[in-house]
Amino acid sequence: RKEVEQDPGPFNVPEGATVAFNCTYSNSASQSFFWYRQDCRKEPKLLMSVYSSGNEDGRFTAQLNRASQYISLLIRDSKLSDSATYLCVVNPYGLYNNNDMRFGAGTRLTVKP
Amino acid sequence: SQTIHQWPATLVQPVGSPLSLECTVEGTSNPNLYWYRQAAGRGLQLLFYSVGIGQISSEVPQNLSASRPQDRQFILSSKKLLLSDSGFYLCAWSGGRGSLGNTEAFFGQGTRLTVV
Repeated sequence: RKEVEQDPGPFNVPEGATVAFNCTYSNSASQSFFWYRQDCRKEPKLLMSVYSSGNEDGRFTAQLNRASQYISLLIRDSKLSDSATYLCVVNPYGLYNNNDMRFGAGTRLTVKP
Repeated sequence: SQTIHQWPATLVQPVGSPLSLECTVEGTSNPNLYWYRQAAGRGLQLLFYSVGIGQISSEVPQNLSASRPQDRQFILSSKKLLLSDSGFYLCAWSGGRGSLGNTEAFFGQGTRLTVV
């Protein structure tokens, strides 16, 4: 089983749609979780961290479910500019041994007019 | 503020030639450093990570090697490139041991390597 698994997509949605991605992780001791965004042929950039209580940043909402070992990203009112690949990232070694970051393969989103 | 520099941006190399990609970080001390590779249409594969000078952990056996001669310098090398080494190579840094809170990784702009 991969350490971090994502549905590769692609997700093709119309502008204004709500879309959700899930990501599962295998190490139950993992402490840090992130969503990154990667535009075509560019480096990944942090979209948002994922906190235990869930967190929201504008149209983006991230949730963590430790019992089921998955994190989710919800995008509301999709914009054309949201088209990108979304990478789930898990640090499996906790806050003070952050010598590793494991990336999912990414979920590709295309928002169409 | 912290910055990460990675070069070159693109590289075309013949099979069997050597490789040296360099990455430097500014504005932070004792960072964790990483080399990732992303093949076309695929996710990021961790190749090497380092928690300190001279300390390198290899994730995937291959003909690549990494070195960290200075605290904020990370080098990816190969003595003889293979066709399968083609890909998008990304250097990244994150806070090292003792960092507080959720520590994100910051990426360089990447090197697109084509082995011909």
